[in-house]
Amino acid sequence: DADVTQTPRNRITKTGKRIMLECSQTKGHDRMYWYRQDPGLGLRLIYYSFDVKDINKGEISDGYSVSRQAQAKFSLSLESAIPNQTALYFCATSDSQGLGYNEQFFGPGTRLTVL
Amino acid sequence: KQEVTQIPAALSVPEGENLVLNCSFTDSAIYNLQWFRQDPGKGLTSLLLIQSSQREQTSGRLNASLDKSSGRSTLYIAASQPGDSATYLCAVSLYSNDYKLSFGAGTTVTVRA
Repeated sequence: DADVTQTPRNRITKTGKRIMLECSQTKGHDRMYWYRQDPGLGLRLIYYSFDVKDINKGEISDGYSVSRQAQAKFSLSLESAIPNQTALYFCATSDSQGLGYNEQFFGPGTRLTVL
Repeated sequence: KQEVTQIPAALSVPEGENLVLNCSFTDSAIYNLQWFRQDPGKGLTSLLLIQSSQREQTSGRLNASLDKSSGRSTLYIAASQPGDSATYLCAVSLYSNDYKLSFGAGTTVTVRA
């Protein structure tokens, strides 16, 4: 089984709809992240969480919200989707302790299309 | 702000040729640098992680070097195979924000059989 899973893998929705993307991990990592990837651009950080009670905005958080339901679960919501939020979304995790400190591991991604 | 550049954006080589992928960054106060592979429709796979105190890391046919003073990293893939065709991304974190990765846009590699 994959260590970092994302659901759904693909989603098509309409402008104005509320959408939730979910991420789960079995790596036991304390840190989790949400990124988006647009064609020709690198990944950009939307939100990150150091633990269940520590959630922070990244560089492009406008129009997004998150929830860290448990150490293993981190959800991203688009309250009212708009077409320029069409992108590939990735969840990632890292461990704040140990030899692999801050090496990030990514899920398979969710392709979101907003019409 | 850390800027990460990968040139070229795309590369096509015949099978068996060695691949050289470049990554440059503007702020040399890095914490670590990570190379990823991305296959179409799939997530990122971590290939190599180089800590700021290291000069290189090796894994099988892959070797990544780091020169902080010049703001550069190079990923070498020896004896390329068609299965190496993918997009390769580098990402850098700074000491001031060691959790935050700044990504390059990637180099898309095609290895021709």
